[in-house]
Amino acid sequence: RKEVEQDPGPFNVPEGATVAFNCTYSNSASQSFFWYRQDCRKEPKLLMSVYSSGNEDGRFTAQLNRASQYISLLIRDSKLSDSATYLCVVILNTGGFKTIFGAGTRLFVKA
Amino acid sequence: EAGVTQFPSHSVIEKGQTVTLRCDPISGHDNLYWYRRVMGKEIKFLLHFVKESKQDESGMPNNRFLAERTGGTYSTLKVQPAELEDSGVYFCASSQDRNTGELFFGEGSRLTVL
Repeated sequence: RKEVEQDPGPFNVPEGATVAFNCTYSNSASQSFFWYRQDCRKEPKLLMSVYSSGNEDGRFTAQLNRASQYISLLIRDSKLSDSATYLCVVILNTGGFKTIFGAGTRLFVKA
Repeated sequence: EAGVTQFPSHSVIEKGQTVTLRCDPISGHDNLYWYRRVMGKEIKFLLHFVKESKQDESGMPNNRFLAERTGGTYSTLKVQPAELEDSGVYFCASSQDRNTGELFFGEGSRLTVL
């Protein structure tokens, strides 16, 4: 079983749609959680951190459920520019900080 | 402010040769990470430096890989001798706060081993 699992997609949605991505992690000692965005052949960039209380940044809402070891990302009113791969990232405190990436979920937003 | 820079952007070498990748983190970032993405797979953690000290190198594949960060500034990742399965994109990232801080990635060094 992978340490961080995501549905690879692709998700094909029309502009304006709402789309949700899920991610599960296996290590209950995981400490910090993030969603990163990666465009084709580019480096990952932070989209948002994820907190148990839930957090929102414009059209994006992230949620963490520690009991279920589950993270979600909701994108409302999808734009063409949202097309990318969304990476679920979990950090383990190992003395150092080990970063574990999901394989990513691909999103295509079409006009 | 300059971001994380990596060199070379692309390297093509033959099996058995040596390659050294370099990463210059954002100035003032004590935390530096190396990752690797093999085609079709997820990004894999290799190791984490705090300044010049290795905090976690559990992701290093084998002893053909050597990472250094002398002086706590830039870092190098040497692969010697390179094997076919080492091909992939090697990302470097740096952060100020290792716990809650954002990771800033370089554009990656693409390594092709023939």
